[in-house]
Amino acid sequence: NAGVMQNPRHLVRRRGQEARLRCSPMKGHSHVYWYRQLPEEGLKFMVYLQKENIIDESGMPKERFSAEFPKEGPSILRIQQVVRGDSAAYFCASSPQGALNEQFFGPGTRLTVL
Amino acid sequence: EDQVTQSPEALRLQEGESSSLNCSYTVSGLRGLFWYRQDPGKGPEFLFTLYSAGEEKEKERLKATLTKKESFLHITAPKPEDSATYLCAVHGGATNKLIFGTGTLLAVQP
Repeated sequence: NAGVMQNPRHLVRRRGQEARLRCSPMKGHSHVYWYRQLPEEGLKFMVYLQKENIIDESGMPKERFSAEFPKEGPSILRIQQVVRGDSAAYFCASSPQGALNEQFFGPGTRLTVL
Repeated sequence: EDQVTQSPEALRLQEGESSSLNCSYTVSGLRGLFWYRQDPGKGPEFLFTLYSAGEEKEKERLKATLTKKESFLHITAPKPEDSATYLCAVHGGATNKLIFGTGTLLAVQP
């Protein structure tokens, strides 16, 4: 049973470009969460999604960031017009039911903005 | 505002030297406290969930306990492979998100 999969593992973008991060949850999991980890800081919640629905996006910056979890395919975190401050590790987690259950994390995508 | 504070920030132990990590939390209506282990360059690995004060869980050399204000992760006779950052997180109130502390970086020397 494969765990949470994220790709790419490393992503380099120049300022102003777009970054697309993908997350495939564990088999049987229909809840996906995205977190961001900045150097020397803890994991910060960004968004919580179920299939085709955004449940909680209270941690998502209001501009340039968006997330989706379509009926078919992986969840996508999209960052438009990236800036250097977007450089971080982005982790996806999944759970079988609601957020009260354990969340299992993927290996992360490390985004570097030049 | 919900908050999680972990101490110490870093801890260096000799192999076999037992110790405890602390996680203090402030949350409106705790619905779960989670411990994770994170190795460099990897995602957090789930260890334990605790739901109510007085609850304890064990896994190999690790034991997690919970009170109304804090949780402890006890490490008995640690080995070098226990070296990692240990993260504590809470899920509380009406929110769906996990709120993480900044972690304790544990180094166990042979």
